This record gives sequence, structure tokens and C-alpha cells, in this order.
Amino acid sequence: QKEVEQNSGPLSVPEGAIASLNCTYSDRGSQSFFWYRQYSGKSPELIMFIYSNGDKEDGRFTAQLNKASQYVSLLIRDSQPSDSATYLCAVKRGTGNQFYFGTGTSLTVIP
Amino acid sequence: KAGVTQTPRYLIKTRGQQVTLSCSPISGHRSVSWYQQTPGQGLQFLFEYFSETQRNKGNFPGRFSGRQFSNSRSEMNVSTLELGDSALYLCASSLGTGGLYTEAFFGQGTRLTVV
Repeated sequence: QKEVEQNSGPLSVPEGAIASLNCTYSDRGSQSFFWYRQYSGKSPELIMFIYSNGDKEDGRFTAQLNKASQYVSLLIRDSQPSDSATYLCAVKRGTGNQFYFGTGTSLTVIP
Repeated sequence: KAGVTQTPRYLIKTRGQQVTLSCSPISGHRSVSWYQQTPGQGLQFLFEYFSETQRNKGNFPGRFSGRQFSNSRSEMNVSTLELGDSALYLCASSLGTGGLYTEAFFGQGTRLTVV
């Protein structure tokens, strides 16, 4: 079983819609959860992170965490074509800066 | 503020050769991690260095090694290259000692092709 699992997609949504990206993790010791965005040919860049159960909002992005279900999600409201990218879920536990990444979900926002 | 710099950006090597990749972290960052990214496996953690010491290591063979210098710059070496080592190698720079809320900043990566 992989540490972090994501649906690889591709996920397509029309412009202006809500995109919902999901992630599950296997280790209950995971304590913080990160969403990165990676454009084709570029490096990952952080969107946001969450560590408490519930929702965390940042602009058009909302991260949701449910530790009991070992589930993290990212909602993108009012999706724009510029949001078309691969979204990577990553978890962290323990000391150090080791991240466990999912394989990413490819999102396409259709104008 | 300069970002994470990786050199070279592209490399083509022959099986059996060795290669060294370089990473300069963001100024002030003392933690450098290395990841291998392939289409099938995604980003896989190789190792992390903090203050010139390897702090964490992923599940890669001993052919993969690294080091960090006193100025926090890091190098990664792969010996006896195999075709399967073809990948994008990403370096990540982090500020602190590894708190749960410490993010990683990625360089543009080195694209290694083994032929």
C-alpha cells in the first residue's frame, strides 16, 4: 500500500466550476498535509498546508482534513484555465523535512 | 531573494557511468532534500541533509549518495547508472529543522537521461 494515494485523473472541469481533488494516506502518524501544484515542465510549488481536522481556506482554495478517515482534499472554487496543472498531495510526520508524495492528479480547466 | 538553483538542468549519460548533481538552497536555508520524480512513481524521497549531516534516507540503493557542504549547498551522486535512473531529480530547500509546518521550496530540477 502506498503512503499517499491520489486519483491520477485526468480531471476536467469547466471554467468557473469547483474542482475537487482527493488524497488518502496510510500512516496514522502523519501530522501535516500539503498541497503542491506542478505545471508541466516546472517544479512543484506550495498551495497550502493543513494540520488540524476541518477546513482551511486561502482565497479560492480550501483544504479539508479528516484524520479519522485519513483523508485530505483540496477544493478549487471558480476554477480558471490557469489552474490546469498536476496537484500533488504530500504528508509529513516525525522530524526532518521528509515529505511523502502522492503521484498527483492532473486537472484541466476547460474555458 | 534567489530561489533554489539546480545544475545542470539536463544531462545525458551512458549506462555504467556516474553523475553528480548540484543544488544551492535558498539563502539561510540549512535543510536540503532530494527527490526523484518519474511518471509512474511520482516524487520519491532520496535523502535529506541538515547542517552537513544526512538526517533522513529513503529506500534507494547505495548507488545514490549525497553530501552537504558548510555553505548548505548539496550534491547528489549516482554511480553505475542504470536505464531506470532516468528521471527528473528535484532538490528541495527548507528553512528550519523540520517542524511539521515547514514547507519545502523546490528547484527547477535536473532532467537525467540514461542511454
